[in-house]
Amino acid sequence: GENVEQHPSTLSVQEGDSAVIKCTYSDSASNYFPWYKQELGKGPQLIIDIRSNVGEKKDQRIAVTLNKTAKHFSLHITETQPEDSAVYFCAASGGGNNRLAFGKGNQVVVIP
Amino acid sequence: NAGVTQTPKFQVLKTGQSMTLQCAQDMNHEYMSWYRQDPGMGLRLIHYSVGAGITDQGEVPNGYNVSRSTTEDFPLRLLSAAPSQTSVYFCASSPTHSGTGVYGYTFGSGTRLTVV
Repeated sequence: GENVEQHPSTLSVQEGDSAVIKCTYSDSASNYFPWYKQELGKGPQLIIDIRSNVGEKKDQRIAVTLNKTAKHFSLHITETQPEDSAVYFCAASGGGNNRLAFGKGNQVVVIP
Repeated sequence: NAGVTQTPKFQVLKTGQSMTLQCAQDMNHEYMSWYRQDPGMGLRLIHYSVGAGITDQGEVPNGYNVSRSTTEDFPLRLLSAAPSQTSVYFCASSPTHSGTGVYGYTFGSGTRLTVV
């Protein structure tokens, strides 16, 4: 089945700087790659997603890029703010039947 | 539109007890799933359903049962609770695969379960 890995596990950035989280996936047939943000005590929330027919997608301060050849995709957060501090999960479609395989998550800490 | 509602939010069980975690969604999503979240392990799929009357196992199904009698509800039953089932449980739903690919999940706020 699909295997998704995230790096680094913890990322600390100064407020205003950019943060980048990278994920790799194993199944070349995967065609959907969402990113979720989980704040303390809450459920994961979808923040951005990309499909395999697109190389990049932006939504205000966040963007996702996809490299199908290398089988990796990345989340970019620009002008980070304290409210960006959270755990971020990447996922990839795989296993059929609408299933998503999730990475283990990255803790992002924005230092004021 | 409440999204995905999970109850209870917190629960403490004794080893061997059984209980049902409730999950309901009001978005008419056909796909529903249960995950458990443990430190350093990410989200692991327990069971999932692609529609009423259809369920299947995920990667960690042992000790759990599910049923899907309606589109809205997808309860998770712990048959005989064990300390290893101490975790945070999330229910998620999404529209089904329509030929254009998987759709993003909507998660509930979770149930924090402790088995002593």
